[in-house]
Amino acid sequence: QVQLQQWGAGLLKPSETLSLTCAVNTGSFSHYSWTWIRQPPGKGLEWIGDVNHRGSATYNPSLESRVAISVDSSKRQFSLKVNSVTAADTAMYYCASAPVNSSSWHLDYWGQGMLVTVSS
Amino acid sequence: SSELTQDPAVSVALGHTIRITCQGDSLRTYYANWYHQRPGQAPLLVIHGKNNRPSGIPDRFSGSYSGNTASLTITGAQADDEGDYYCHSRDRTGNHLVFGPGTKVTV
Repeated sequence: QVQLQQWGAGLLKPSETLSLTCAVNTGSFSHYSWTWIRQPPGKGLEWIGDVNHRGSATYNPSLESRVAISVDSSKRQFSLKVNSVTAADTAMYYCASAPVNSSSWHLDYWGQGMLVTVSS
Repeated sequence: SSELTQDPAVSVALGHTIRITCQGDSLRTYYANWYHQRPGQAPLLVIHGKNNRPSGIPDRFSGSYSGNTASLTITGAQADDEGDYYCHSRDRTGNHLVFGPGTKVTV
């Protein structure tokens, strides 16, 4: 069982940097790939990217130029940064875990979600 | 446009069977996963891989494949099964993950 707790700033101005952190409270840290997903209000899910426990990250090509996902294994935390935000980045942001031995990269545990609003 | 396509909405009578489909070229190579999202809640994994149910998911949920299409079947739909269902898999390159646009299920 993996428990994820996420936090960060919920209100940003255009051009600022979005910064969220997700703590892995229980479960093996090295047996998972750590993932960020977002969901604009009233819309579907969008995969942002993921990182393994060694810090190797993969990103959604549509966001890659503005996104960075990092990991701190000693603190059992991983983080998301999105720079130069606009109103289009307003969304519920979720962190989630994907077992590294999965043949389908399924997301088995999710954080509670964090609403980030970008407004001037 | 999404690499995975889903019907926008499907309705089913209480106790009847519903099949939700997800189409995409990548599904000829990669498995799909299915998530159920109720309003105001985080998505919940209901089926992953070939046809695997996480602990706590009722056996009325099942997954199947045919060609470029993955299907989620709910046998004996309950009112609690209402919500949005998203499929999830790899993109055509295999390098990135993608979600389908979601299917809104009404019971």
